[in-house]
Amino acid sequence: GAGVSQSPSNKVTEKGKDVELRCDPISGHTALYWYRQSLGQGLEFLIYFQGNSAPDKSGLPSDRFSAERTGGSVSTLTIQRTQQEDSAVYLCASNQGPNQPQHFGDGTRLSIL
Amino acid sequence: SQELEQSPQSLIVQEGKNLTINCTSSKTLYGLYWYKQKYGEGLIFLMMLQKGGEEKSHEKITAKLDEKKQQSSLHITASQPSHAGIYLCGADWGSNYKLTFGKGTLLTVNP
Repeated sequence: GAGVSQSPSNKVTEKGKDVELRCDPISGHTALYWYRQSLGQGLEFLIYFQGNSAPDKSGLPSDRFSAERTGGSVSTLTIQRTQQEDSAVYLCASNQGPNQPQHFGDGTRLSIL
Repeated sequence: SQELEQSPQSLIVQEGKNLTINCTSSKTLYGLYWYKQKYGEGLIFLMMLQKGGEEKSHEKITAKLDEKKQQSSLHITASQPSHAGIYLCGADWGSNYKLTFGKGTLLTVNP
C-alpha cells in the first residue's frame, strides 16, 4: 500500500504486560513520528526519527516507553509494564523531511485492562 | 493556558451552509497544518501554511494564515455531509518537525 501502515489496529492487554506497536512508513520517507491521542490530552508528540540522526525522544512520558527504527524504515514503539493510563490511540506518521506535511497511519488502539 | 487554541470545540451546521474554524497560537507560527480525522482513522492532511497572509484552497475548503502568523482559519463553503469529522490544527513553532496540535473541532453536517 502507499500509505503509512500500523499494526495491530487494536490491542487489548493486561496491566503490567509489555506491548509492541509497529509502524511501516511510506516508502522513501526519511522522517518518522509517533504520537499518542487520548481523550484528556489530545494529540501528543512522543518521538521523532530523521535518517541516521539521534532521535528526539523529548515527548516520551516515562522510561517505560522506548522506540527504535531499524534500517531507516520500520519502527517499533515498546511500552513496558503497561499501566491503565497508557490506554490511548498511538499514531505513526512519516514525511520526506523538515517542513513537509506529515502523513498519518490509522493508529493502534491500545486498551489496558 | 493552552498555547494552541481551536474554536469552536464543536459545530453543527445544515448542509449547504458555510462555516469557519479558528486556530490561535500564543507564539509565532513557523508552519501551520490543518488535518481532518474521522473516528477510528488517522489524520488526513488538508493544507500547510507557512507565510504571513498566505491563503490556500482545495475544493470547497480555504485556509488562511494571518500576517502576524499567530492565527489561522479554515473556511468551508457550502458544507456537505462528507465534510463531517474532527478538524485539527498543528503548529510548528520553529523545530521544523515537531507539531503541537489543538484539541480539535468536531463538525457535524446535517442533511
